Order: sequence, then structure tokens, then C-alpha cells
Amino acid sequence: NAGVTQTPKFQVLKTGQSMTLQCAQDMNHNSMYWYRQDPGMGLRLIYYSASEGTTDKGEVPNGYNVSRLNKREFSLRLESAAPSQTSVYFCASGKGRTASNQPQHFGDGTRLSIL
Amino acid sequence: KNEVEQSPQNLTAQEEEFITINCSYSVGISALHWLQQHPGGGIVSLFMLSSGKKKHGRLIATINIQEKHSSLHITASHPRDSAVYICAVSNFGNEKLTFGTGTRLTIIP
Repeated sequence: NAGVTQTPKFQVLKTGQSMTLQCAQDMNHNSMYWYRQDPGMGLRLIYYSASEGTTDKGEVPNGYNVSRLNKREFSLRLESAAPSQTSVYFCASGKGRTASNQPQHFGDGTRLSIL
Repeated sequence: KNEVEQSPQNLTAQEEEFITINCSYSVGISALHWLQQHPGGGIVSLFMLSSGKKKHGRLIATINIQEKHSSLHITASHPRDSAVYICAVSNFGNEKLTFGTGTRLTIIP
């Protein structure tokens, strides 16, 4: 059981470069989420997708774009990376509103450094 | 927005000690989640509860809805329990989670 798979696990970028973080889940979940985790702060929601074809901004969306490619995949794109985007990024999935109060399942994270 | 606070931020204890980690929140919730993050970074869900108490092995989670407070207890702690424990809440009508900053637990042999 793979659960939630994120790639890559580590990445170093230069300021201004672009990249896409990939996420896929095999649990037939409706909802998918992208979070960032910074020292001394709780996980913060960047974007989420309640269902295939829909995406919504979270708490810290600036500088990011997302695509819900299909039910399984939810990608996060940094168009022009900035040092402030250095962080650990987590993708998560959940059953969504049709099964309220269900736990979210997390990927292993992507450690991203912007120089 | 719901404010989630955890205490303590850091906790070091000897093996076999009874551990308590606290979480409080500011606005009524539909459920509270306890998560564990190991040094490798992965995050796993331990408990989700909306009332009362849940137990899984040596871990016990309780919640007091009136006082907007939850505790996570670990009995007979072991070095493998060393991790960051994160509290999160989900609000009524909203599947999104609001997270606390975590409690870093270190158990010394």
C-alpha cells in the first residue's frame, strides 16, 4: 500500500528557477492538500482540492500554483522560486466532506532549499 | 480562525515515564487530531476524536469539549516514542485542518 507518494524527496533550486512537486494517492480519496512546514510554525495550507477539477487557495498561496490532474494526482508548482519558499512540503489526502472527520494521510515530504 | 496551542514545546523524559502533551483551541470544533512526526519527517495520524477518550496501545487521547482542551498521554514511554506530536483541529462545515506548532518529545534510555 503506497498511500500518498511525493516526488522528489529533496531539491535544491536557485532563485528564479521553477519546479513542480508531484503527489499521487492510491486510496481513491476525493480531497488533496499541499502544506508547508517551517521551523517554529504549524503546518500551513497552501492549496487544496476538494474534488477532481477543483482547487482553492489556502492560508499561504502566494508564489504557488496547483493542478489537480485527475483524482489521483495533485501537483504544486513554483514558477519563480524565492528563498522564502525554502521549506518542507507535504502533500496529504482525505476522503473529503462526504466522509466528514476522517483523518488525512500524509506523504513523506519534500525538503526544498532555494539558494 | 481557530487558534491551536500546544504545551510543552519540548519535553525530555526518562524511559518508562508517563508523558502528557496538551492541546487547547479557541473555537468549537468538529474533531481533534493527534499526529506523530518522526525524525525522518513522515507524518502519521494517531487519533481523531470528537468526544471522550481513545486508546491505542500505550497511547491515550482525551478531549474535553467544554474546556476546549485535549491531552495525549503515553504510558511506559520508550525511546522509539521520540518524535514531534502535532495537534490539529477541524472546524464545523470545513474539512481543512488548523495545526498546532508541535511538541518535540525525547525519551532517554
